[in-house]
Amino acid sequence: AQKITQTQPGMFVQEKEAVTLDCTYDTSDQSYGLFWYKQPSSGEMIFLIYQGSYDEQNATEGRYSLNFQKARKSANLVISASQLGDSAMYFCAMREALSGYSTLTFGKGTMLLVSP
Amino acid sequence: DTGVSQNPRHKITKRGQNVTFRCDPISEHNRLYWYRQTLGQGPEFLTYFQNEAQLEKSRLLSDRFSAERPKGSFSTLEIQRTEQGDSAMYLCASSQRQGWQETQYFGPGTRLLVL
Repeated sequence: AQKITQTQPGMFVQEKEAVTLDCTYDTSDQSYGLFWYKQPSSGEMIFLIYQGSYDEQNATEGRYSLNFQKARKSANLVISASQLGDSAMYFCAMREALSGYSTLTFGKGTMLLVSP
Repeated sequence: DTGVSQNPRHKITKRGQNVTFRCDPISEHNRLYWYRQTLGQGPEFLTYFQNEAQLEKSRLLSDRFSAERPKGSFSTLEIQRTEQGDSAMYLCASSQRQGWQETQYFGPGTRLLVL
């Protein structure tokens, strides 16, 4: 079974609008961390936001927020006020105790295109 | 620029040749990771180091792959007798051990094409 599932291969949004990128995860651990990365066409993975499994508040970083629903095992990324520079691949990733608290397991990604 | 750097950025080689990639992590980071990313997929873990010790290797890392981090600073990833299936982006990341919120910072990657 997939550890991280991103069901949206591609998403389109108009500039200045908000967009939600979906991520569901599968783990039997109680302690885990969830991450979102952005990968522009240049290839570099850029860290966006982190959510710990015990964090009670949803994480926010500027225009990025993470809608964490633990019971549903979902960790959706919300980008407010989209900008043209947000066009990129977005990956959801998880670190869990079973991996020794070190490695990240990534989903297949969602391609976001922001139009003017 | 004090981010993670990788060299070369692109490599084209013929099947059967050996290739070596280098990663220079962020200077104060003691952990270094290698991932492989094929087209349409997310990165997959290959191996990681804490200082100079290689602590974990994925089963994806066949005997043709070897990684080193001799002085706990830069790392090299060597692929011997390359195969066409080795064509991928090889990503390096580094982090400073700090519990659950430990964040891995990635370099720009090395794109390998095996002809």
